[in-house]
Amino acid sequence: NAGVTQTPKFQVLKTGQSMTLQCAQDMNHEYMSWYRQDPGMGLRLIHYSVGAGITDQGEVPNGYNVSRSTTEDFPLRLLSAAPSQTSVYFCASSLAGGPIQYFGAGTRLSVL
Amino acid sequence: DQQVKQNSPSLSVQEGRISILNCDYTNSMFDYFLWYKKYPAEGPTFLISISSIKDKNEDGRFTVFLNKSAKHLSLHIVPSQPGDSAVYFCAASEGGNQFYFGTGTSLTVIP
Repeated sequence: NAGVTQTPKFQVLKTGQSMTLQCAQDMNHEYMSWYRQDPGMGLRLIHYSVGAGITDQGEVPNGYNVSRSTTEDFPLRLLSAAPSQTSVYFCASSLAGGPIQYFGAGTRLSVL
Repeated sequence: DQQVKQNSPSLSVQEGRISILNCDYTNSMFDYFLWYKKYPAEGPTFLISISSIKDKNEDGRFTVFLNKSAKHLSLHIVPSQPGDSAVYFCAASEGGNQFYFGTGTSLTVIP
């Protein structure tokens, strides 16, 4: 039982490069979300999705794009990476209406 | 502006004693509160939750208390064990779509 799988685990980018952080879950959860964790800031919601084809913005959406074409996958795209996006990124999923989220192990991203 | 606050970045407790972790919130519309535990290099894992219609929820060694008038919740761990050493995040939600997390409290249980 894989749960929530995030790839890659580590990534270093140069300013201006683009990349996609992958997130997949095998629990048939309708709700998926992306967070970033920064020192002294806790986890902040970037984007979330309540089902395939439906996405919405969280607290800190600027600089990030998402799409949800399948129930299983919820990729996070950085179109032009900036040093301020250096962070640890977590993907999470939950049942619709269920508040308990299951998190992936995280992606540590450094933007130089 | 932080809607969920954990004012103690760290806490040290002797093994066998009680650990009390605190969390304050500002949004009176929050209707569900959760505690997550996080070990280094892992994602947070769910620990215990409470809805706004209750003031206490207990699960084994873990108890969460909610004081709505003070907009305060706390997590009690008793007895504390070395394996409880981790970062604890409280989280709150209004309606279940957006979750707001505190900054975390690093608990160290000393053997």
